[in-house]
Amino acid sequence: GESVGLHLPTLSVQEGDNSIINCAYSNSASDYFIWYKQESGKGPQFIIDIRSNMDKRQGQRVTVLLNKTVKHLSLQIAATQPGDSAVYFCAEMEANQAGTALIFGKGTTLSVSS
Amino acid sequence: EAGVAQSPRYKIIEKRQSVAFWCNPISGHATLYWYQQILGQGPKLLIQFQNNGVVDDSQLPKDRFSAERLKGVDSTLKIQPAKLEDSAVYLCASSLDLGGYTFGSGTRLTVV
Repeated sequence: GESVGLHLPTLSVQEGDNSIINCAYSNSASDYFIWYKQESGKGPQFIIDIRSNMDKRQGQRVTVLLNKTVKHLSLQIAATQPGDSAVYFCAEMEANQAGTALIFGKGTTLSVSS
Repeated sequence: EAGVAQSPRYKIIEKRQSVAFWCNPISGHATLYWYQQILGQGPKLLIQFQNNGVVDDSQLPKDRFSAERLKGVDSTLKIQPAKLEDSAVYLCASSLDLGGYTFGSGTRLTVV
């Protein structure tokens, strides 16, 4: 089946820099996307979401951009902090037998050095 | 609001043994999910419950995995017998509505 994937497995940045994490999806029918942060030993934590009728959504220090033409999603983190170090996953809500379920990509490990 | 509780946090078993994981979702969340996360990969959905009924178990290896949610609240996931490739983190999540998934911290299973 179609799935969500990420471009780069790792990203290293300096504290204070802006980070951009990318994700390409293949299911053009997907209309809801979520970015999750997962720290070591913890479950995925919701960061921000976006629906397909939007191109951009902003939160606190984070922005998600959606380009439906090329099926690309990105997460921008402003003024990256050491506490942002984690694995980041994009996930899409996909139709299944039950209605919908979250399908995750492989993840990008963000390392922030001070 | 209390989060999704899972136990145990860690489990080491020998191959061919049995193991069970427990999940207590957020109060009032009707939908419960079990995901398997192999090291270096994203979580993969195993089974989805709506109240006490299974609504999707298409990705569950039913020859060895089973899950139940008898009273529509707590859930258990069992593996019998375990294989080496079952080594992973097993995540439980619950949701009230679309997109509102909350994950537990998971159970890390090591099969030796």
